[in-house]
Amino acid sequence: DGGITQSPKYLFRKEGQNVTLSCEQNLNHDAMYWYRQDPGQGLRLIYYSQIVNDFQKGDIAEGYSVSREKKESFPLTVTSAQKNPTAFYLCASSTGGVLSGNTIYFGEGSWLTVV
Amino acid sequence: GQQLNQSPQSMFIQEGEDVSMNCTSSSIFNTWLWYKQDPGEGPVLLIALYKAGELTSNGRLTAQFGITRKDSFLNISASIPSDVGIYFCAGRRGYSGGGADGLTFGKGTHLIIQP
Repeated sequence: DGGITQSPKYLFRKEGQNVTLSCEQNLNHDAMYWYRQDPGQGLRLIYYSQIVNDFQKGDIAEGYSVSREKKESFPLTVTSAQKNPTAFYLCASSTGGVLSGNTIYFGEGSWLTVV
Repeated sequence: GQQLNQSPQSMFIQEGEDVSMNCTSSSIFNTWLWYKQDPGEGPVLLIALYKAGELTSNGRLTAQFGITRKDSFLNISASIPSDVGIYFCAGRRGYSGGGADGLTFGKGTHLIIQP
């Protein structure tokens, strides 16, 4: 089945650790995105990538890093510099950039908890 | 990024009732998107609206792109238990504004249905 796969679904991080969330899509979409969702809040953009080997900071990029070495993969690393990382993380993709008029589709999300 | 004003924040209704929710903004949008999110899952696209005044249906769901381009509403007719979830609106301003990805999200409407 085509879609966006995020893993793991649940992840626990100790203080000072870096963790990486995986996002893979087989939709042949050019653009990929990472959003963070906190309880009672809307989605906030962390990073996005319009094309392989290129990515841009979103509204809350501090403490996060990404890479886009392959079209189908866009992993997100939550670094120790992110002081409040506990949240629900959503990966998304679209055929082109959202600014070009393409709707984005979401993965099922990953829960990250700091212990 | 700036968020849309989505209301109501939550709704407690009886099964079979109709539901109405809306999003407003002081800015003009080129596209309105409505998503539904089940607990612990990623948002799923329900309806996309691309033209001012457009009225689009998807089963029991109907959404409209406001004439002023500053608002949109979503109606659900004859609600059923599986309609429970959080409904998000998202607006795209196009090339000249919005968040880094061009999308601005509402904070969501939490729909709770009492049997």
